Amino acid sequence: SQKIEQNSEALNIQEGKTATLTCNYTNYSPAYLQWYRQDPGRGPVFLLLIRENEKEKRKERLKVTFDTTLKQSLFHITASQPADSATYLCALEQAGTALIFGKGTTLSVSS
Amino acid sequence: GAGVSQSPRYKVAKRGQDVALRCDPISGHVSLFWYQQALGQGPEFLTYFQNEAQLDKSGLPSDRFFAERPEGSVSTLKIQRTQQEDSAVYLCASSAMANIGSGNTIYFGEGSWLTVV
Repeated sequence: SQKIEQNSEALNIQEGKTATLTCNYTNYSPAYLQWYRQDPGRGPVFLLLIRENEKEKRKERLKVTFDTTLKQSLFHITASQPADSATYLCALEQAGTALIFGKGTTLSVSS
Repeated sequence: GAGVSQSPRYKVAKRGQDVALRCDPISGHVSLFWYQQALGQGPEFLTYFQNEAQLDKSGLPSDRFFAERPEGSVSTLKIQRTQQEDSAVYLCASSAMANIGSGNTIYFGEGSWLTVV
């Protein structure tokens, strides 16, 4: 069956550390993978997109990797801040289909 | 407006009641999506419009769910004879591009929170 799994439901880290979130998928062939941030009571907000032929993408303190052999994406937030506390969703895109989301990982950054 | 606008933000419906949820996408956006998000879950796809054409409704959970976008802008998601399992956040999203699954950025609204009692 098709599955998207995000490593854990909750991740707690200290301010200044690097947060690493994992997204694994089974029986999909995504051309793109996107990461979104969702705050409580709000809609998801787009952060980064990576293509299947890209290994890594960066934007400010964010870095995404995409390994189609391992069927995995890693999402890193360096120098994390309490303001980074939120739920992070990974989403796959296959040709001609709408985004398919994982359950999300809730990140808490403590000062 | 600047973003995707949804109304009502909160709706409490008695079981068996019909509800209508409205979405105003970003002006000029061709693609419009509806997602359902249960508590603690990721958004799940319901349906997709390209302009006024509903090209994919494979995610609608039952024939009690109906969506339309008659003039290719505003969309309405209607749920008939609501049941408790319909309680969720209903998210609308839009994209400027027509070709989905092509790495286009989609923009979400804040959602309509439906509680069926």
